[in-house]
Amino acid sequence: ILNVEQSPQSLHVQEGDSTNFTCSFPSSNFYALHWYRWETAKSPEALFVMTLNGDEKKKGRISATLNTKEGYSYLYIKGSQPEDSATYLCAFHAGGTSYGKLTFGQGTILTVHP
Amino acid sequence: NAGVTQTPKFQVLKTGQSMTLQCAQDMNHEYMSWYRQDPGMGLRLIHYSVGAGITDQGEVPNGYNVSRSTTEDFPLRLLSAAPSQTSVYFCASKEIRSNQPQHFGDGTRLSIL
Repeated sequence: ILNVEQSPQSLHVQEGDSTNFTCSFPSSNFYALHWYRWETAKSPEALFVMTLNGDEKKKGRISATLNTKEGYSYLYIKGSQPEDSATYLCAFHAGGTSYGKLTFGQGTILTVHP
Repeated sequence: NAGVTQTPKFQVLKTGQSMTLQCAQDMNHEYMSWYRQDPGMGLRLIHYSVGAGITDQGEVPNGYNVSRSTTEDFPLRLLSAAPSQTSVYFCASKEIRSNQPQHFGDGTRLSIL
C-alpha cells in the first residue's frame, strides 16, 4: 500500500488569511499528483493534475507546486474566503501497471471563519 | 452529459441482507473504481476495473464483489451486509494512463442496522 500523507489534518483560519498545506507521496515511480476539493455532502471535484517536477498550477486564488524528487506538493490558498471551507484531498498516481489507480491521502479539512 | 451516476443515494439495510450499488458513466472511461469514505480515513479504494471483464482488489475489498460486463457499468455488491460497512460509497471513473482527473459520482449513503 502506497503511503500518501497530508498535513495538517485540519486547519482553522480567518477570512482573508493565506494558508497552505502539504501532500507527501513516494518519490519513486511517479506518474501524476492530483488535488481535489471536497465540500460536505458533495462529491470531490478536481482542482489540479500535476505531472512534471517543478510544476506550478493556479486556479483563481488557489495554486499548487510539485516536487517529485523529494515527494511533496503544496497547495496554497491566497486570501481565504468562507466558501473555501472544504476538505482538500491529494491523490498519487503511480506509473507502471497501476493504470488509473489513485491512492488518496486522508485530506486536510479547512475551515475559514468570517 | 450525466458523467458518473450512482444509485441509490441513500439505503438502509439490515445485517445479513445483500444489495447492489449501481454506477454508470457515459464518458467511455476505461478505468472505474469504488471507494468508501469513513470519518478520519479519507477515501479508501475497494475495487477497481481497467476495462470490461477486468477487475482487481483495492485496499479494503473484503465483503464486496464487483463485475464489469460493459464499459459503462460497474456495480458493487455487498454479499451479506455488516454494520462495519456503514459508510458513504463513491464511484469514480477516469481515462487510463492519462493526465485527466477522476470524475466522481454523488455518493451512496449506506446504513447497516
